[in-house]
Formats: sequence, structure tokens, C-alpha cells
Amino acid sequence: AQSVTQLDSHVSVSEGTPVLLRCNYSSSYSPSLFWYVQHPNKGLQLLLKYTSAATLVKGINGFEAEFKKSETSFHLTKPSAHMSDAAEYFCVVSGSGTYKYIFGTGTRLKVLA
Amino acid sequence: DGGITQSPKYLFRKEGQNVTLSCEQNLNHDAMYWYRQDPGQGLRLIYYSQIVNDFQKGDIAEGYSVSREKKESFPLTVTSAQKNPTAFYLCASSILFSAGWVTDTQYFGPGTRLTVL
Repeated sequence: AQSVTQLDSHVSVSEGTPVLLRCNYSSSYSPSLFWYVQHPNKGLQLLLKYTSAATLVKGINGFEAEFKKSETSFHLTKPSAHMSDAAEYFCVVSGSGTYKYIFGTGTRLKVLA
Repeated sequence: DGGITQSPKYLFRKEGQNVTLSCEQNLNHDAMYWYRQDPGQGLRLIYYSQIVNDFQKGDIAEGYSVSREKKESFPLTVTSAQKNPTAFYLCASSILFSAGWVTDTQYFGPGTRLTVL
């Protein structure tokens, strides 16, 4: 069975400072892991995806995430926050070759000027 | 441009009414999905479909129905049996379904916000 925990429901950072959004997962098999971003009243946009090819995954808009099997983590980072990064972020886990997405409860990122 | 469209963007329902949410994709994807999103929760799967004329219940199918008569279309009906339908509804699609070791990426539409009056 798979599960995912986003450790912070809200994160606030100042513009230009680093972003860290934390995600821990549980999976019986080698998982696929995703980060999506959602702006208010919009659909979800894929930021990046881990599929075992490389443990450090680079995504769009300067975001990246590192798969750490020993820590069962897949934290999302960005070196320098921009005002446009303010949104809700979802971590998703899926078992190998399955359709089923298991969503975290989301982390709302606030960027302060 | 390829993508997923959902309509309407906002929908209001009176008690006892059935309403239908539209989802269309021109990505030539085989699989399509409907999710419900409530504040402070992740998305929950309502129904999914791998191929035309076939669909399966997800985790919260009660009070909902779907059809898949065309590859590009997957409408969702919220029936009067759904006791708490106020939510944000998202449609998604993916290329393949359970193919190999890699889970196929799901691409999402812009959503429909349903409010019960």
C-alpha cells in the first residue's frame, strides 16, 4: 500500500530566499513520485516526476526534488522564491505501473515581499 | 494547442437536481479520471476509464455517474444522491494505463467549481 505525508500545511518565505516543501512517502514497491502545483481556482500543473532514472530530479520554474530511499522522502526545493511561486503544492505517490495516484493534503506556499 | 477543457467553470445546483460536468481532451490519451477536491484535503478519485465504453469506480463513486462514449470525452453527472456535492472537480487524462514499471503522468484540466444552493 502507498501513502504520502506532506509535513507542513503552510510555509512562508521571503522573496529571494530558498524554498523547502517536505514530503515523506510509504510504498511497498519502487514508487513513482510527483510534485504538482495549483494556483487558486486552477487545475494542477506537473512540476516534476521521479521514475527511478535519477535521484535528483529537475523540474520547471527552477524547482527540483531529491529522492532519498533511506529516508523515504521526496522534498521539493528552489534556491530563490519568486512571488509567482505562491500557490498550493501537492506531493503524489504511485506504485510501479499503476494508475492510482495517492495525493498528499497539500502545502500552501506564501511568498512575502 | 493540446489540452484538457472542462466546462462550465462555475456551476450552481439546487437541491434534488442532477448536473453534468463536461471534460474533453485532444491529447489522444487513453485513460481519463475524475477527482474531487475539498479544502485542506488532497484529491480523491471518483471514477476512471481506460478505454471507450468502460469505466471503474474510484474511492468515492457514490452519488456520481459517468459515461465514456468517445475517447476524447468523459462527462461526470453529480446526482441528487450525492449528499454533499459542493466541491472543486478536476478531470485528468494520461497516455496509457498501468503500462510497465512507470506510472504514466496525469494531466489536469482547469476544474469546475460546483456549489449547492
